[in-house]
Formats: sequence, C-alpha cells, structure tokens
Amino acid sequence: KAGVTQTPRYLIKTRGQQVTLSCSPISGHRSVSWYQQTPGQGLQFLFEYFSETQRNKGNFPGRFSGRQFSNSRSEMNVSTLELGDSALYLCASSTGTVHGYTFGSGTRLTVV
Amino acid sequence: AQRVTQPEKLLSVFKGAPVELKCNYSYSGSPELFWYVQYSRQRLQLLLRHISRESIKGFTADLNKGETSFHLKKPFAQEEDSAMYYCALSDEYSGAGSYQLTFGKGTKLSVIP
Repeated sequence: KAGVTQTPRYLIKTRGQQVTLSCSPISGHRSVSWYQQTPGQGLQFLFEYFSETQRNKGNFPGRFSGRQFSNSRSEMNVSTLELGDSALYLCASSTGTVHGYTFGSGTRLTVV
Repeated sequence: AQRVTQPEKLLSVFKGAPVELKCNYSYSGSPELFWYVQYSRQRLQLLLRHISRESIKGFTADLNKGETSFHLKKPFAQEEDSAMYYCALSDEYSGAGSYQLTFGKGTKLSVIP
C-alpha cells in the first residue's frame, strides 16, 4: 500500500512569489491535513480537508489556502511568500479521524 | 486553549538505562493523547496512543489526568531508540467531525552505546 506522497520534496522561492504544494493521500483516505514545522514554533496545524470540503483551519493568515480534489489529492498554496514561511510542510491522511494519521515526508520550502 | 509541553529538548541516556520522556498537557475536555516518533531521515510516525493502552517497541505511556501528564517510558533503552519524540493532543473542531493535533516541541532522545 503506497504511503502519503508529497511533491516536490524541496522548493526554493523568492519573497513575494507564490507556491503550490501537493499531497497524494493513501488510497481510500478521504481526510487530508496540513501542518507547518519550524524550529521555533514546532508543528502547527494549518487546515484539514475531507471530501473536498475544508472542515477546519488553524491560526494562519489568509495567504495560506488549500483545496482537495475528488480523488482526495490535496494542494496547499501560499501566496506573497515571506521569509518566515520557510518551513517543512507536512501532509497527513486518514480515513476521517485523527486516530489513523499517516504523515508524508514533507516539502521543505525555503524563501529567500 | 490546549497546550502540550515537553520540558526537555534533549535527553541522553546510556544503553540499557530506563527512559522517561515527559509530556504535560493543558486541555479542558477529555483528552486523546499520542506519541509520535521521527527517526533520522524518516517521516513522522505514530508510536502509540493512550486509548489503545498498548506497548510498542517496549514503550508505554500512561495518561494521568490528575497530573495532566502522559509520560513515555521504556525500561531499557536501545541505540535504535535514538530519535525525536513528539507528544500530541487531539481536539475535535466544533463537532464538525474534524480533528487537529496540537504537538509539543519535541524531545530528542540520544542513546549512548
């Protein structure tokens, strides 16, 4: 059974640009959650999608957005990048409850 | 608001010694708590959850509601236990069926041969 796949693995962007990250969940998993990991703040919840609907959103500015497609694949978008957005972005999929979270390897975003 | 505290950034123990990774939480409801582990160059993975009352790789964790703690313990540390350990608390969002995890900052366990 394939795991959670995140692409790309690494990204370097310039301040002010926008970026799109992708997450393919485990087959059959309808829930996808996104987390940001930084040395200073640790792991912080961004948002959760279930059956193409955002059910929950963390305390992040509107520059952070996402969506989920009918095949449960999810994308996360960050617009007008700031230096502080440099982080490891993790995606986790589950059947719909937190008990079955499986994390991807993450996308490391560097903003210069 | 919920909060998870892991007071130790780094914990070094000798192989064969007991290990205790501390986790304290603040939550107004009935918490669901987890331990996640991240080995070097590997993805974050679930180690154990309190509702299962299981032992994984020799690790156990007991929820103590009185002390609001969920410490992770292992009687005899092994070199392969060296990793980053995160304590996490789940919280349901407004009855929407959506859950989110609040993580502690993590403790790096180093087992000395």
